[in-house]
Amino acid sequence: AQSVAQPEDQVNVAEGNPLTVKCTYSVSGNPYLFWYVQYPNRGLQFLLKYITGDNLVKGSYGFEAEFNKSQTSFHLKKPSALVSDSALYFCAVSGRSGGSYIPTFGRGTSLIVHP
Amino acid sequence: NAGVTQTPKFQVLKTGQSMTLQCAQDMNHNSMYWYRQDPGMGLRLIYYSASEGTTDKGEVPNGYNVSRLNKREFSLRLESAAPSQTSVYFCASSEAAGVTYEQYFGPGTRLTVT
Repeated sequence: AQSVAQPEDQVNVAEGNPLTVKCTYSVSGNPYLFWYVQYPNRGLQFLLKYITGDNLVKGSYGFEAEFNKSQTSFHLKKPSALVSDSALYFCAVSGRSGGSYIPTFGRGTSLIVHP
Repeated sequence: NAGVTQTPKFQVLKTGQSMTLQCAQDMNHNSMYWYRQDPGMGLRLIYYSASEGTTDKGEVPNGYNVSRLNKREFSLRLESAAPSQTSVYFCASSEAAGVTYEQYFGPGTRLTVT
C-alpha cells in the first residue's frame, strides 16, 4: 500500500520569507510524486511532479520541490512567499510496483502567508 | 478550453432522495475520477474510469454508482442520500491511466444532505 504524510496541518510564514511545506511518502518501488494547490472554493490545481531525474523539480508560480530518496521526502519550497500563496497544499504519491497508479493524497497543509 | 466542468455547484438533499452529479472534460483525456473531500480527510477516491467503457471502485464506493457516458462525461449517482454523504465532490481527469500523469480537477459540487 502507498501512503503520504503531511505532518503539519498549518504553516505560517511572513511575506518575503522562504517557505517549506513538508511531505513524506511510502510506496513499493519507485515513487511518482505530485504537489497540488487548492484555493478557497476551488478545485485542486497541479503544481509540479517528480517522475525521474533531477531531484529538484521546478513548477508553477515559482514553486519547487526536492526529492530525497533516503528520507522518503518530497518537500515543497519557495524562496520568497507571497500573500497570494495562501492556500491548501496537497502532496500525492503513486507507484508502479505493488502500488496503484491512482495517486494517494495527503490530508493537506494550510499555508498562511502574513503581510 | 473549459477544462473539467461540474454541475451543479451546490445541492441540498433530504435523506433518501437521489441525484446525479455531472462531470465533463474537453481535454480529450482517457481517464476520469470522482473524489470526495471532507475536513481533515484529504481526498478520497470514490470511483474511477481508466478508459471509456470501464469503471472501477475506489476507496469509498458504498452508496454511489457511476456511468462513463462517453469519453467526455463521467457521472456520479447517489441513489438514496444519507447525511454521511454531505461533502464536497470533485471530478478529475488525466491524459491516461498511469503513474506519471497529473490530474486536472473540476470546481467541485458542495452537497448537503439533511
